[in-house]
Amino acid sequence: DAEITQSPRHKITETGRQVTLACHQTWNHNNMFWYRQDLGHGLRLIHYSYGVQDTNKGEVSDGYSVSRSNTEDLPLTLESAASSQTSVYFCASSEGGLGDQSTEAFFGQGTRLTVV
Amino acid sequence: GENVEQHPSTLSVQEGDSAVIKCTYSDSASNYFPWYKQELGKGPQLIIDIRSNVGEKKDQRIAVTLNKTAKHFSLHITETQPEDSAVYFCAASMGPSSGGSYIPTFGRGTSLIVHP
Repeated sequence: DAEITQSPRHKITETGRQVTLACHQTWNHNNMFWYRQDLGHGLRLIHYSYGVQDTNKGEVSDGYSVSRSNTEDLPLTLESAASSQTSVYFCASSEGGLGDQSTEAFFGQGTRLTVV
Repeated sequence: GENVEQHPSTLSVQEGDSAVIKCTYSDSASNYFPWYKQELGKGPQLIIDIRSNVGEKKDQRIAVTLNKTAKHFSLHITETQPEDSAVYFCAASMGPSSGGSYIPTFGRGTSLIVHP
């Protein structure tokens, strides 16, 4: 079955270190995106991509970057981890627009990141 | 950009009762309204969605209603069961021709607790 997987599931890192969270999907979806989930804030969009070599900033992109070198992967990099980036991170993908219509987003299991 | 408000933040009901979660959105161009259920330690999963050309949609014990004029939509769960306990998110999105990105903007979530 097609799926979307995130790794690692848990990560503890120190302030100032660079961290990369992996996301891999096997649906061949064009759209991929990253959210962070914090208590009281719901899911906030960090970055998104419509396809290979395409990346776009979301609502809370400062301190984060992504790259899309193939259809399956969208790694999220924290350039210099800060305590404010302690959160649960979710990767998701969707097929893309049917005409101009949005489609269901499929989420990974999440990565819990702690910055100490 | 789109803004989605969700109420209540917490909802406690007795098994067998009905539960209603309400959301409002700000951008009248939004045309896709999914609802996601998130169980503890897992990623959100789509439970039902509705498009702007439909006023109501049902799937067994779950129904969603959409009022485009008032820009609000609601999730209705009837005959609640303990396994319905989870966090529920509403979302709204639109395609690029309307200034969107296909990427859903989420409400802050409702924690539903069903007491046996």
